[in-house]
Amino acid sequence: RKEVEQDPGPFNVPEGATVAFNCTYSNSASQSFFWYRQDCRKEPKLLMSVYSSGNEDGRFTAQLNRASQYISLLIRDSKLSDSATYLCVVNKGTYKYIFGTGTRLKVLA
Amino acid sequence: DAGVIQSPRHEVTEMGQEVTLRCKPISGHNSLFWYRQTMMRGLELLIYFNNNVPIDDSGMPEDRFSAKMPNASFSTLKIQPSEPRDSAVYFCASSLQTGGNQPQHFGDGTRLSIL
Repeated sequence: RKEVEQDPGPFNVPEGATVAFNCTYSNSASQSFFWYRQDCRKEPKLLMSVYSSGNEDGRFTAQLNRASQYISLLIRDSKLSDSATYLCVVNKGTYKYIFGTGTRLKVLA
Repeated sequence: DAGVIQSPRHEVTEMGQEVTLRCKPISGHNSLFWYRQTMMRGLELLIYFNNNVPIDDSGMPEDRFSAKMPNASFSTLKIQPSEPRDSAVYFCASSLQTGGNQPQHFGDGTRLSIL
């Protein structure tokens, strides 16, 4: 079983829709969690860190469920520019950041 | 603020040639990482430096790969001799701490093609 698993998608959604991705992790000792977005042929860019109490940044909301060992990302009012691959990253408190393989999102006009 | 700076952005060379990739981490960051990304294998950690010291190089594929960090503001990844299977995007990333609670910040990457 992979340490970090994501549905590869693609998730095809119309503009203005709400879309959510989950990411499951296998190591209960995981301490830090992040969402990155990666555009085609570009570098991963930090979208947001995920805090235990959940956090929101504009149209984006991240949540952590330690009991079920998953994190989620919710995007409201999707824009065409949200089309990208979203990477889930988990860290156990060391220098090793475990990356998921990413979920592709396509927002359609 | 300047982010992680990598050079060159693109490199095309023939197999057997030496390739040197360069990275300038974010000022004040004490952790530096080199990654390789391919469609088949995703993001792979090649080597990790903390305070300029290589801590984990277990991801370096072969002896053909070497990395150095002579000071806090510069690192190189060298491939000698290069082979077609080394073709990939190479990313450098830096972070503020080693405990993992700080996110990594990535450079634009070097797209390497070995003919």
